Parts: sequence; C-alpha cells; structure tokens
Amino acid sequence: TQLLEQSPQFLSIQEGENLTVYCNSSSVFSSLQWYRQEPGEGPVLLVTVVTGGEVKKLKRLTFQFGDARKDSSLHITAAQPGDTGLYLCAGPPSGSRLTFGEGTQLTVNP
Amino acid sequence: NAGVTQTPKFRILKIGQSMTLQCAQDMNHNYMYWYRQDPGMGLKLIYYSVGAGITDKGEVPNGYNVSRSTTEDFPLRLELAAPSQTSVYFCASTRLAMDYEQYFGPGTRLTVT
Repeated sequence: TQLLEQSPQFLSIQEGENLTVYCNSSSVFSSLQWYRQEPGEGPVLLVTVVTGGEVKKLKRLTFQFGDARKDSSLHITAAQPGDTGLYLCAGPPSGSRLTFGEGTQLTVNP
Repeated sequence: NAGVTQTPKFRILKIGQSMTLQCAQDMNHNYMYWYRQDPGMGLKLIYYSVGAGITDKGEVPNGYNVSRSTTEDFPLRLELAAPSQTSVYFCASTRLAMDYEQYFGPGTRLTVT
C-alpha cells in the first residue's frame, strides 16, 4: 500500500500552459516536501509545507498543504521546458525517515 | 563543500558478484540514507543511519548491508548480486531529523546481468 499517492503519473503539456499535480494520503503528516528530479541527477528539495492550509510560492510554482494535512498540490503557471522533470512528494511517516510518492513525470514541450 | 558524493557513477555486475557503493558527505550531517529508484518510479528506502555506529532497515533491505563507522561515510554493500537489484542508487543526508530536508548525491546506476 502506497502511503503517498501522486497523480497524474505522467503529464505532457505545451509551453505556456498551467498544470496542477497532486499528492494524497489517508494519513496525517506533520509536514510534506516537494522535490524535483532532473534526468541523471538526484532529487532537489523545492519546498517544505508544515501548517494545514499553508500556501507557499516559488516563482511560478505554488504549493498548498491541505487543511487536514493529508494532501498537497503543486501548481505551475505558464510552464516552461526547464520545468521538465520528475516531481516527488515526501513526508515523514514516523521517526527520522521520509516516505516518497511514486512521482509525476512532467514534460513541457517547446 | 562537495555535499554528498557517490562512487562509482556506473557499474555492471554479473549475477552472484558483490560490490560496495560508496557515499560520503562533508556537511557534518548525522542522518544518512540509501534509496533505490527503479525506472519511472519513486524512491524506496533501503537502510538509514542516525549516527556513527547506528543503522536501521528501511522498506527494502534484503540483499544489502550497511555500516557507519564515521559521520562522513555510509557505504552500501551488495552481496550475491541479482537482476532484481538493477536500479539507480541514491545516498542522501540530512542535518537534523526534524528538518527532513534531504540532500542527495548524484546516484550510482547499477546493472546486474
């Protein structure tokens, strides 16, 4: 059973379009993180959300943590080819480790 | 700072061979982790360590072993390699557990044939 479910699994869009990807769980998390992974590299942290209902912005990326702290979303405005990558959400189920979702593979075509 | 370094970058093993994947960090992080990532998938935790001399199993520990004799190094040992261990292996570290921000190495791409 996957603790964190991400959707969609794949997304291919044209440059300039908007998109939203989702990270859902039946469990409450104390915090959730979003990472981006480019081909051939390790994941890099984009943001951590810790408060229910929290919204954080990172340039054209908007991250939201659900009120019940069971879900999160990532919205990208006017996507660019440089946004292409695997987007992973992660949260601490317990102790000192993270559990990762399966990821959303985003391709932005010029 | 070099951050998290991993060697080798690529490796091909024959079934039954053994090898050690090296991981080192120079950020004085206490917590270190080994993950594997299969094509198009997320990360699965193999083993982790909360400090020198302390290690614990993750989700998929079978076929692997680790040791942590220093704060800087966290090698992953594969014994009797099997095709199911073909994957990309990432090492990560974090300063404090409560931060949870993990810094990842560039990965080791392993093929077992």
